[in-house]
Amino acid sequence: ETGVTQSPTHLIKTRGQQVTLRCSSQSGHNTVSWYQQALGQGPQFIFQYYREEENGRGNFPPRFSGLQFPNYSSELNVNALELDDSALYLCASSGALGLAGLVEQFFGPGTRLTVL
Amino acid sequence: ILNVEQSPQSLHVQEGDSTNFTCSFPSSNFYALHWYRWETAKSPEALFVMTLNGDEKKKGRISATLNTKEGYSYLYIKGSQPEDSATYLCASGGGGGNKLTFGTGTQLKVEL
Repeated sequence: ETGVTQSPTHLIKTRGQQVTLRCSSQSGHNTVSWYQQALGQGPQFIFQYYREEENGRGNFPPRFSGLQFPNYSSELNVNALELDDSALYLCASSGALGLAGLVEQFFGPGTRLTVL
Repeated sequence: ILNVEQSPQSLHVQEGDSTNFTCSFPSSNFYALHWYRWETAKSPEALFVMTLNGDEKKKGRISATLNTKEGYSYLYIKGSQPEDSATYLCASGGGGGNKLTFGTGTQLKVEL
């Protein structure tokens, strides 16, 4: 069974640029969630995708967008990067869209984004 | 309690010590409480998902309890080992669609 993988591991961008982060979900999982962990904070929910549709969004502006593909892998896109977007971005997959928060989520190791 | 809060923020113990941490969460609209263990440069690893008031779960030397009425959970580690050194995160599941609201974590360092 292959775990959740993310790419790239690290990324440096400048303010105003755009970035795409990628996540491959665990085999058999159809739900992917994205989280942002800023320094000294717990992970913050960005959004979730279930069967290629967005299924819930946290308090993030529209310049944070995502996609889920038929193989359930996912992308997180951030436009017009700001310095405060510097953070660790985590994705997590789960096997079914169960009742809120009941299902164990499997996390990738994250992508460290630095915005200069 | 409006947010998920964890205490202490960090903890240093000696090998063999037993220790515990606290997670406080909003007791209204409660669905589930998750505990994760996160070692540096690795992926967060799920320890427990707990849903019922009074629930107790155990995995090896690690156990957790849940009180949904008062909104808290305790994580216990018995006989701490250096490999237990990690950040322990709790998260409340709620709001639909598997959204997790995380605390800021307790960083545990077990010294020889």
